[in-house]
Amino acid sequence: EAQVTQNPRYLITVTGKKLTVTCSQNMNHEYMSWYRQDPGLGLRQIYYSMNVEVTDKGDVPEGYKVSRKEKRNFPLILESPSPNQTSLYFCASSLQGFGETQYFGPGTRLLVL
Amino acid sequence: AQKITQTQPGMFVQEKEAVTLDCTYDTSDQSYGLFWYKQPSSGEMIFLIYQGSYDEQNATEGRYSLNFQKARKSANLVISASQLGDSAMYFCAMRELYTGGFKTIFGAGTRLFVKA
Repeated sequence: EAQVTQNPRYLITVTGKKLTVTCSQNMNHEYMSWYRQDPGLGLRQIYYSMNVEVTDKGDVPEGYKVSRKEKRNFPLILESPSPNQTSLYFCASSLQGFGETQYFGPGTRLLVL
Repeated sequence: AQKITQTQPGMFVQEKEAVTLDCTYDTSDQSYGLFWYKQPSSGEMIFLIYQGSYDEQNATEGRYSLNFQKARKSANLVISASQLGDSAMYFCAMRELYTGGFKTIFGAGTRLFVKA
């Protein structure tokens, strides 16, 4: 089954404790992206990757890191989480191109205390 | 600057009636893509419909159609014959090409309530 998987689905952590949210897709998509969703703000793009070893900042990259060492995986790293990073996070993937549909993972709900 | 504007935070519609969800966008590019996604209460993001900036015909997908008015920079979603299962959050999004690649910007969303 074609899908985007994220782990963990739910995470409660404390300020400053490094964490990684994994994202994997099995559709051989070149493009992958991370978003955060907050009430009243919709989804905001954190980072995206056009292909292996090619990443770039979205609109809200501060406090986040990503890497793309393999085509299928695109982990999101929070080196020192803060409470303002409490949010719902989505990973998505697609083929290249304006009209290519993004396939979203199920989301990761993060609470930083 | 806000690039995608959805002015209706919440809307009600009677079952079996049509409803229009508004979306306006701001770009100076000639090439871009416009998308609508549905997010039910379960949380997943579901793709509904796509319109390319060069497409002359309005996109349609089953009960969904996109009313694309390029000069007015609007891309409204029309849902015909609403069903109870259409109750959800709806997001308009625009994809643009930047130096580093494709960026996608979402609107704040419109929550639709379908009444029986």
